[in-house]
Parts: sequence; structure tokens; C-alpha cells
Amino acid sequence: DGGITQSPKYLFRKEGQNVTLSCEQNLNHDAMYWYRQDPGQGLRLIYYSQIVNDFQKGDIAEGYSVSREKKESFPLTVTSAQKNPTAFYLCASSKTGNTEAFFGQGTRLTVV
Amino acid sequence: AQSVTQPDIHITVSEGASLELRCNYSYGATPYLFWYVQSPGQGLQLLLKYFSGDTLVQGIKGFEAEFKRSQSSFNLRKPSVHWSDAAEYFCAVGAGQGAQKLVFGQGTRLTINP
Repeated sequence: DGGITQSPKYLFRKEGQNVTLSCEQNLNHDAMYWYRQDPGQGLRLIYYSQIVNDFQKGDIAEGYSVSREKKESFPLTVTSAQKNPTAFYLCASSKTGNTEAFFGQGTRLTVV
Repeated sequence: AQSVTQPDIHITVSEGASLELRCNYSYGATPYLFWYVQSPGQGLQLLLKYFSGDTLVQGIKGFEAEFKRSQSSFNLRKPSVHWSDAAEYFCAVGAGQGAQKLVFGQGTRLTINP
């Protein structure tokens, strides 16, 4: 079945460590996105990519980094520079143009 | 800048009652509008979308939404709710050409009383 796979579902890290969240899609979508969700704040865009080897910052990119070496994959690294990394992270993908985004099941990151 | 406001943080309705969830947006051009639903600890599922054309949009699970340009609103409705509709609902506006960057509202949590 086609879809978006995020792994792991739960992730625990010590403060000061970098951590990478995985996102893979087999929908043949060109565009991919990372959102952060905090209680009562909806979702906020971290980074997005419209094509392989290219990506742009979203509204809250500070403390995060991404890569897009393959069409299917868009990993997100939460660096030690991110001041409040504990959150629910959602990956999404879409065709280019005016179409809807499809979401993965999310990764809950807890930094202790 | 684009923005979305969902005025109701939490709504409780009885099973079988009608439902309306409010959404107001701010966007300079013709908006692309979406409603998503999220169960606890899960990703988001698209309920319906508006790009152009008929302002009354039908979605999955018996939901519909009406785009009203004059009121900058895109309210979600369902004639009769089921216990399984309990979830969080997000309204979003699509911004940017080519990439569907979404700007989300804060969400409305729906509780269903038996």
C-alpha cells in the first residue's frame, strides 16, 4: 500500500544530543514537508522540499536541518540548538501544484 | 501573511446532534482550504478540500463545508455526529505556488456525549 512511513513512533533523547527522524514515502510525490505540533498551537512548518536536492525553511527552522538526497526520503535532524525539541513531529508529502498533503503517523520526541 | 483562526478550542455535542466547527482565514488571494481530522497520537486525515467551483464541498464520513468569501470562513458541518467522530479537527489554508505549504488553525477538540 502507498503511504508515508515515519519512524520511530516514539523517541527519547538526552538534552544536547542530535537526533534524526525518518520519513519515507512511496506515493511518488515530489514535495515533502516537516511540521511540528505542540498542544494548543496547531501545526507549524519546519522545512519543505519541492524537489530532490533542494529544500526551503519554513516558519520555525531554527535548530533543525534536513536533507533530500532521494525523492522518497526526507529525514529531519533535531539539533542541540533547538531549545524546546520535545514535540510531536509530522511528515507530509504532496504532488506539486494545487493538491492536498498526505500525512504520516508522526514521531513523538521527548528530550530529557 | 496567511492565518487561520478556529475560535472554539473545545466543543461537546451529544451523539446524533448536528455539528458546526468554525474556521476563519486570512489570505490575500483565492485560498485553498482544507479540513483535517486527527485521532490521539495519530497523523492527520483529510476530510475535504476547497480549491474552486462549488462553494459547498462534500467530504468523507458525512462531513461538508461551505466556503464563504464575504465572511472569510470555511465552516465544517455534519448533520448527525457519531461517537467515532470524537477527535481533533484542524482547518488549514494552502499558501505558496507549487508547494502546498499549509497554515493551520489551533484545532478544535470534539467530545461526543453518549
